[in-house]
Amino acid sequence: AQKITQTQPGMFVQEKEAVTLDCTYDTSDQSYGLFWYKQPSSGEMIFLIYQGSYDEQNATEGRYSLNFQKARKSANLVISASQLGDSAMYFCAMSVKLTFGKGITLSVRP
Amino acid sequence: DTEVTQTPKHLVMGMTNKKSLKCEQHMGHRAMYWYKQKAKKPPELMFVYSYEKLSINESVPSRFSPECPNSSLLNLHLHALQPEDSALYLCASSLQLAGARDTQYFGPGTRLTVL
Repeated sequence: AQKITQTQPGMFVQEKEAVTLDCTYDTSDQSYGLFWYKQPSSGEMIFLIYQGSYDEQNATEGRYSLNFQKARKSANLVISASQLGDSAMYFCAMSVKLTFGKGITLSVRP
Repeated sequence: DTEVTQTPKHLVMGMTNKKSLKCEQHMGHRAMYWYKQKAKKPPELMFVYSYEKLSINESVPSRFSPECPNSSLLNLHLHALQPEDSALYLCASSLQLAGARDTQYFGPGTRLTVL
């Protein structure tokens, strides 16, 4: 069985600063993928970044990077230079069957 | 292009009504999904279609009836719903089903209210 854990309460960050959103996972699969999605209040689930279990390099997509520590079973999302539009709910998820964590609410302060 | 479209955006229906939600993608994806999401909760998987055949039904009540007319379209037929079925319904698609590297792309969702 797969499990994703997101335990941070609501997060606050000042505009232009970096923020790290935590995600730990558990699985018995050797091959799996880890995803981060952003969900603004409008409801759309927006794909941000992907990390494969066999990928040696940490994934990066623009201002998003994934700090993947396989031995610790963690896949933290780092958002650099936060913008007001980053305020949203963020979900960590794992394949093969997409299993979501509870999500973390991020609020960016001007 | 990673666009999944859903109609309608909002739907209000009575418990005796019959309505349908529609989802469309033109990315050549062969797996399509329906999720139900309550406020402040993660999405819950309802149904999965792979190559136009129902592959997964997560023990969803029969008042929800999915349909995949072709590889680009996915419908969710609603009948005799309950107020607790009010939620955001999200459609998603991916290149294949159950691949570790297959990213699911979501539509904007339909906000359903059952009176």
